[in-house]
Amino acid sequence: GDSVTQMEGPVTLSEEAFLTINCTYTATGYPSLFWYVQYPGEGLQLLLKATKADDKGSNKGFEATYRKETTSFHLEKGSVQVSDSAVYFCALSDRSNDYKLSFGAGTTVTVRA
Amino acid sequence: DVKVTQSSRYLVKRTGEKVFLECVQDMDHENMFWYRQDPGLGLRLIYFSYDVKMKEKGDIPEGYSVSREKKERFSLILESASTNQTSMYLCASSSRYGYTFGSGTRLTVV
Repeated sequence: GDSVTQMEGPVTLSEEAFLTINCTYTATGYPSLFWYVQYPGEGLQLLLKATKADDKGSNKGFEATYRKETTSFHLEKGSVQVSDSAVYFCALSDRSNDYKLSFGAGTTVTVRA
Repeated sequence: DVKVTQSSRYLVKRTGEKVFLECVQDMDHENMFWYRQDPGLGLRLIYFSYDVKMKEKGDIPEGYSVSREKKERFSLILESASTNQTSMYLCASSSRYGYTFGSGTRLTVV
């Protein structure tokens, strides 16, 4: 079945540092890929998505590229801020699974001033 | 602003109690979902529903049931709460345009 593996945390960074969170997936079909973010005390919000190979999703300075050849969707941001402290989830949805979302374990990111 | 509203932010219940977690969406979405979120495990799907009075088991349905009598409301029921059901519960609804999540209910079973 479908599964998502993402980099374990927690990750602690200083402001303006470069952030990468690795995500790889296994899917029987041709999935859509997502990054969700959960700020403290809140629900999940969609951060960015990509629906086909080589698509790049971007939002709020974050980027991720759908790499079919490596089955990866790594999240990157060039210069993080304290306000980026959150839990980040990689996820996929696939027609073979009726488009239900399958999530990775989540990566907690803390950015220090 | 479209919303998924979960009735309680925090709940503390005793072992053996029957617990109801309520979720209401105002987007006229057909699809609704209940997940539980645990550290290191991500979000795991408990139950979902694609229509009124319809329900399907997710990956971890044991110990839970659901009810969907109206399109906008999807309830998660713990028939006899146990301590291993202490968790954060997230409700979501979806359309072809994507998912919207509620803020979550943190349930503690003592």
